[in-house]
Formats: sequence, C-alpha cells, structure tokens
Amino acid sequence: DAKTTQPPSMDCAEGRAANLPCNHSTISGNEYVYWYRQIHSQGPQYIIHGLKNNETNEMASLIITEDRKSSTLILPHATLRDTAVYYCTPRARSNYKLTFGKGTLLTVNP
Amino acid sequence: EAGVTQFPSHSVIEKGQTVTLRCDPISGHDNLYWYRRVMGKEIKFLLHFVKESKQDESGMPNNRFLAERTGGTYSTLKVQPAELEDSGVYFCASSPTGYYGYTFGSGTRLTVV
Repeated sequence: DAKTTQPPSMDCAEGRAANLPCNHSTISGNEYVYWYRQIHSQGPQYIIHGLKNNETNEMASLIITEDRKSSTLILPHATLRDTAVYYCTPRARSNYKLTFGKGTLLTVNP
Repeated sequence: EAGVTQFPSHSVIEKGQTVTLRCDPISGHDNLYWYRRVMGKEIKFLLHFVKESKQDESGMPNNRFLAERTGGTYSTLKVQPAELEDSGVYFCASSPTGYYGYTFGSGTRLTVV
C-alpha cells in the first residue's frame, strides 16, 4: 500500500478556503486517493475520492497532480464545523482496505 | 436513509470477560468493515465482509477476536476473553460494491478494566 504524508496541523479563517495537502509519492497506478475526516470522536466521514482527474462534490474539491504523487483537498468556504482531523488514504482497485495515518488537524478559527 | 448503527455505544468490562459488538450496515450494502482505534494510535483495519463471506481478515489482531455476518446483514464482533489492550473505539462501516465512499458508524467505545 502507498504511504501518505500530511502536515500534522493547519489553521484556517472561517469563510476562507482551506487547502489540505497530501503526499502519496509511492501510490501505484491502480490506487485511488480517498479523503475522510473525523470530527471529534465521531466515526470517520467520507468526503471525496479520485484516481487522476480533479473531482468536485458538494463538500469539497480534490486536485490530483499529473504525476499523482500528491493531492490537495479544498474546502472552498470553511466553517467552524469543518474543524476536524482530515485523512487521505489510498485504496487499490482490488482491495477495499483503507489505511489511515495520523492525518491533519484542521482548526477553523472565527 | 438510515446510517450505520453500532451497539452498544459504550461498554466497560473486566479483563477476561466476553463482549459482543454489533453493527447494522446500510441496507443493500454488500461490503461491511470493522476498524478500531486504540488509545493514541491510528485507526486500523480489522476485516472486510462481502455479504456473509470474510474477504479480508488480515487486520484481526489474534484469535480472541471473532467476527460474523449473519445472512449478509448485520455483523457482530466478539472479543473473548477481553484483555486490557483491547480497549479502544471500534468502528463499523459499509459500502456498496465499487468505488464509493464508506459510511462509518459512530463507534463502540470499549473499556477493559
């Protein structure tokens, strides 16, 4: 499985865009990048996933570099409720297992 | 639609006792997963069911843990006998087949004393 590297913490002002990076330089061609977040002690919440194209849904946008070695999760207008630990995790086509690392604690400040 | 339901939300048991955790996935989701977070550690995969079959149980820590999924619906995770290091939060998740996000339950916080 690919290893991921994320900054341990980030701050963002309420209403501004939050850009969370993830390095996955060892990702293989058949591995998707999934993003989840965990708010306080709740169960992880799915955000978005992609293979090589940029993706957007109602929660966020995902930008994947052309070489697929890194990606950025964008929350376009962060709110206080977006304060959480954000995880990027690879997932192979043939393997449903997610690998959670330490993630990034995003703190949205008023 | 109803989400993934886990029961109980909290459980405190003594070392050596048996505990059974239950997970009700979203109806129609063939895939069911168990994960756990031990205090201070990362969330770790335990196992994956496809319908009633165990697809991958590579994360199960030892033979004190037994997971079942009756009729491809709800799942149980039994710990027998429980040890202190089994304390943590156990999460269940489910998903349809394909490249979808997983829906996680709120977890069961297990404390072994």
